[in-house]
Amino acid sequence: GAVVSQHPSRVICKSGTSVKIECRSLDFQATTMFWYRQFPKKSLMLMATSNEGSKATYEQGVEKDKFLINHASLTLSTLTVTSAHPEDSSFYICSAGLQGGYGYTFGSGTRLTVV
Amino acid sequence: DAKTTQPPSMDCAEGRAANLPCNHSTISGNEYVYWYRQIHSQGPQYIIHGLKNNETNEMASLIITEDRKSSTLILPHATLRDTAVYYCIAAGGGGSNYKLTFGKGTLLTVNP
Repeated sequence: GAVVSQHPSRVICKSGTSVKIECRSLDFQATTMFWYRQFPKKSLMLMATSNEGSKATYEQGVEKDKFLINHASLTLSTLTVTSAHPEDSSFYICSAGLQGGYGYTFGSGTRLTVV
Repeated sequence: DAKTTQPPSMDCAEGRAANLPCNHSTISGNEYVYWYRQIHSQGPQYIIHGLKNNETNEMASLIITEDRKSSTLILPHATLRDTAVYYCIAAGGGGSNYKLTFGKGTLLTVNP
């Protein structure tokens, strides 16, 4: 149980375009999901907490207008990188956990390359 | 969340036990100790967690000192597939809305 599916696994986009990344909880409902980014050889950095039916909470220094998060249902959260630039190239990962459970399940990640 | 300190890297021979230490001297009373690992280019994987008692599951054992200021993750018979970065995180309670703050972790390399 507690499977999180993330799509796409890899995407290349042109500078200035927008990219949407999906995170789905397959066998459970997730009122809260988390979005991270990871640069090469670095640790995961929490970007934002996605809350179903309400606005996301962004960590300090993360531009909410650039990284749009939508959590419209209990099984789906999306992260849209708007007007992407090469410095946005990174590994993006989502996670969610079972209500009343311990430990989170992570998606397999999305490798974004902006050219 | 309490800050954790881990050695940057460790080596282990295949088939031997891997003991990964973690210091969390500022952990608060309601924070759990969580261990995750990340194999290259994949999302992190939950391993185990504990509050104050030692814990064991099919993947590993977690030994927490009595004062809760440090812990050790034990992989009893390491395999090559256990090569990964291991993260020790102190974070609040159960449920599904507490934040996980990842440090630099320990790169465990299992050698044949």
